[in-house]
Amino acid sequence: GENVEQHPSTLSVQEGDSAVIKCTYSDSASNYFPWYKQELGKGPQLIIDIRSNVGEKKDQRIAVTLNKTAKHFSLHITETQPEDSAVYFCAASMGTGNQFYFGTGTSLTVIP
Amino acid sequence: DVKVTQSSRYLVKRTGEKVFLECVQDMDHENMFWYRQDPGLGLRLIYFSYDVKMKEKGDIPEGYSVSREKKERFSLILESASTNQTSMYLCASSLVGTAYGYTFGSGTRLTVV
Repeated sequence: GENVEQHPSTLSVQEGDSAVIKCTYSDSASNYFPWYKQELGKGPQLIIDIRSNVGEKKDQRIAVTLNKTAKHFSLHITETQPEDSAVYFCAASMGTGNQFYFGTGTSLTVIP
Repeated sequence: DVKVTQSSRYLVKRTGEKVFLECVQDMDHENMFWYRQDPGLGLRLIYFSYDVKMKEKGDIPEGYSVSREKKERFSLILESASTNQTSMYLCASSLVGTAYGYTFGSGTRLTVV
């Protein structure tokens, strides 16, 4: 099956700096890549996603890039704020059947 | 506001007990999933279901079973709880189709003593 690796496992940044989280996947058939944010005591929430026919997608301070050839995708958060502190998960799916394969998570801390 | 509701936030059970974790969604989603979340291991799929009375094993089904008698409800059953099943359990649902993001519940933190 698919294998998703995520780095780094922990990340600390100063407020206002950018944060980048990277994921790689193994199966070239994967075509949908969502990112989830999990705040303390809550379930993961979808924050942005990208499909394989797109190279980049932006939503305000959050962007995701996809390199299909290299089989990696990244989450970029600009102008970080303390409320961005959370655990972030990447995932990959082949679409059919909707089963997602998750990375192991990145704990992001934004230092005020 | 659409929701996936897990019946318990925290649960403490004894070894050998039969444990039921309940999940209800109000979005008329066809797909429902149970994951467990452990530090350093991320989210691992236990079971999933694409339709009523239908179930499929995920990556770590051993020691678990599921029940989906109604479209909106998906139950996870620990037949005989063991300490290595202490974990955070997350239920999710999604629409059928090419690919749609999951909607997760808030999770149930289960401790088996």
